[in-house]
Amino acid sequence: GQNIDQPTEMTATEGAIVQINCTYQTSGFNGLFWYQQHAGEAPTFLSYNVLDGLEEKGRFSSFLSRSKGYSYLLLKELQMKDSASYLCAVRDRRNAGNMLTFGGGTRLMVKP
Amino acid sequence: DTEVTQTPKHLVMGMTNKKSLKCEQHMGHRAMYWYKQKAKKPPELMFVYSYEKLSINESVPSRFSPECPNSSLLNLHLHALQPEDSALYLCASSQEKSVYEQYFGPGTRLTVT
Repeated sequence: GQNIDQPTEMTATEGAIVQINCTYQTSGFNGLFWYQQHAGEAPTFLSYNVLDGLEEKGRFSSFLSRSKGYSYLLLKELQMKDSASYLCAVRDRRNAGNMLTFGGGTRLMVKP
Repeated sequence: DTEVTQTPKHLVMGMTNKKSLKCEQHMGHRAMYWYKQKAKKPPELMFVYSYEKLSINESVPSRFSPECPNSSLLNLHLHALQPEDSALYLCASSQEKSVYEQYFGPGTRLTVT
């Protein structure tokens, strides 16, 4: 099976930087995704890592260490609209890699 | 067109009703998914269709019946549901051979009374 852990809630200040961590245990690792989900809305894709290292995309960056089973999502220059849940999801090789397993999500609250 | 659409947006049904949720995508994706999401919980996979064939059923009760009439459409037929089945039902799709990301629809908010 899979085990994916991330903090339940975080609070940060507008304009600051926040790092959301995710640890996972899985066999046949085949990629890690970060999704953003505003309350009552669908998840939207933020980033994808399959090799070790940092992927940067504007204000958002995601890091992966496969040997440590660890990823983080870094959000810079926080804006109020970044208040949302951030979901870490792991894909493994079961069923031709079609399955994503989501972590519990981290609810981020950005304060003025 | 990078959109997955779902209808209806909201649905209220009694435990004896039969209803269907619909999902549509025109991105040429060959894998489509149904997820169930309870409040403040992550999405949980229910079914996966690959090339219009059911490839994964995550031990979902038979009162949920998926159907994939063609490569662009995915339905979820509901019958004799329980109040605990109330949730947000999300549809998603992805490229079969390049599953870099799943695109999610806006979901159907289902309430079973």
